[in-house]
Amino acid sequence: QKEVEQDPGPLSVPEGAIVSLNCTYSNSAFQYFMWYRQYSRKGPELLMYTYSSGNKEDGRFTAQVDKSSKYISLFIRDSQPSDSATYLCAMSKLMDTGRRALTFGSGTRLQVQP
Amino acid sequence: EAGVTQSPTHLIKTRGQQATLRCSPISGHTSVYWYQQALGLGLQFLLWYDEGEERNRGNFPPRFSGRQFPNYSSELNVNALELEDSALYLCASSPPPAGAVNTQYFGPGTRLTVL
Repeated sequence: QKEVEQDPGPLSVPEGAIVSLNCTYSNSAFQYFMWYRQYSRKGPELLMYTYSSGNKEDGRFTAQVDKSSKYISLFIRDSQPSDSATYLCAMSKLMDTGRRALTFGSGTRLQVQP
Repeated sequence: EAGVTQSPTHLIKTRGQQATLRCSPISGHTSVYWYQQALGLGLQFLLWYDEGEERNRGNFPPRFSGRQFPNYSSELNVNALELEDSALYLCASSPPPAGAVNTQYFGPGTRLTVL
């Protein structure tokens, strides 16, 4: 079983819809949770990161973490065709060396139809 | 502020050859990470360098190797190339200490094609 599970999609929505992207994880050692956006043939771009359970908002994007359920979400309001990309969740845990390792989900491909 | 840069953008090799990929981190970042992203697959962690030392290694054979230079730039070498090595190779960097949040910033990648 993978430490981080993410539905690969594709997820297709009409422009203006609210999009919900999700990841589940099995390792309770994960402490920081991030979302990256990757356009086709480009490197991933960090969107936002959170630490504690709860919500964090940045413009049209809201990241939600539920540590008790080991479940994180990214909501996109008023989705635009320019939001069409692959969204990867990532989680950070402290290693024995005192440094943090990042584990990525496999990514969900989102298509916003005009 | 300049982002992570990678070279070359594209690389075409034949089976059995060696490939060398290069990465320059964001100024002030000391950690460099290498990932492989095969078509349709997620990011597969390859290597992590920090302060010139290899800190962690993913589940890849020894023919994948690398190093980090004193200026924190890094090189990924892939020996005895196989067809399945064809992928986008992404480099990321993070600021010190690598133990805080470890947000990683990615470069545009090198697309390696093995014929």
